[in-house]
Amino acid sequence: GESVGLHLPTLSVQEGDNSIINCAYSNSASDYFIWYKQESGKGPQFIIDIRSNMDKRQGQRVTVLLNKTVKHLSLQIAATQPGDSAVYFCAENPPQAGTALIFGKGTTLSVSS
Amino acid sequence: NAGVTQTPKFRILKIGQSMTLQCTQDMNHNYMYWYRQDPGMGLKLIYYSVGAGITDKGEVPNGYNVSRSTTEDFPLRLELAAPSQTSVYFCASLKPGTGVSGANVLTFGAGSRLTVL
Repeated sequence: GESVGLHLPTLSVQEGDNSIINCAYSNSASDYFIWYKQESGKGPQFIIDIRSNMDKRQGQRVTVLLNKTVKHLSLQIAATQPGDSAVYFCAENPPQAGTALIFGKGTTLSVSS
Repeated sequence: NAGVTQTPKFRILKIGQSMTLQCTQDMNHNYMYWYRQDPGMGLKLIYYSVGAGITDKGEVPNGYNVSRSTTEDFPLRLELAAPSQTSVYFCASLKPGTGVSGANVLTFGAGSRLTVL
């Protein structure tokens, strides 16, 4: 079946660096893409979303980039902090899923100070 | 608002036992979901509901049952627990189009960790 995947299972950065987490998706009909952050022992928390008719959206310290040509999504975190350490998931909302989201496997971000 | 509340947080079952994972939300959301998360994997959809009295299967429904008698509650039942059902279970609810760009942003509970031995 179609699914959303992430390129790297782990990413280690130094505090203050910029982090880039990548995601490849396979369903070109998905209209929305969402990034979630999951801290240890907690449920996923919404970070930012982007619609398929956009190529960039910025939030507080985060930027999501969407490249529909190569079906690629990325989350950029500026000035990464130890509190950013978590597992990051991208998710998509293809038409056949109705209102449900399909999640990728996740990237574990570790920030050392 | 408490958001999405799941109980229990942890449970150990023996093979063949049955149990119900409880999920309740106080946001008056019509849409609710159950996902499971296995180690190193993303979330897989088990069942979902678009409103009271309506449920439907997701990607991995085998071995589970759900009911939706009220808007607030969406319990997940395991009838004959198997080791393959060892996982972390997440309940979520949705008000469509609440993302900044209009995306369907699910609100998740804290999870229920289930071990079947």
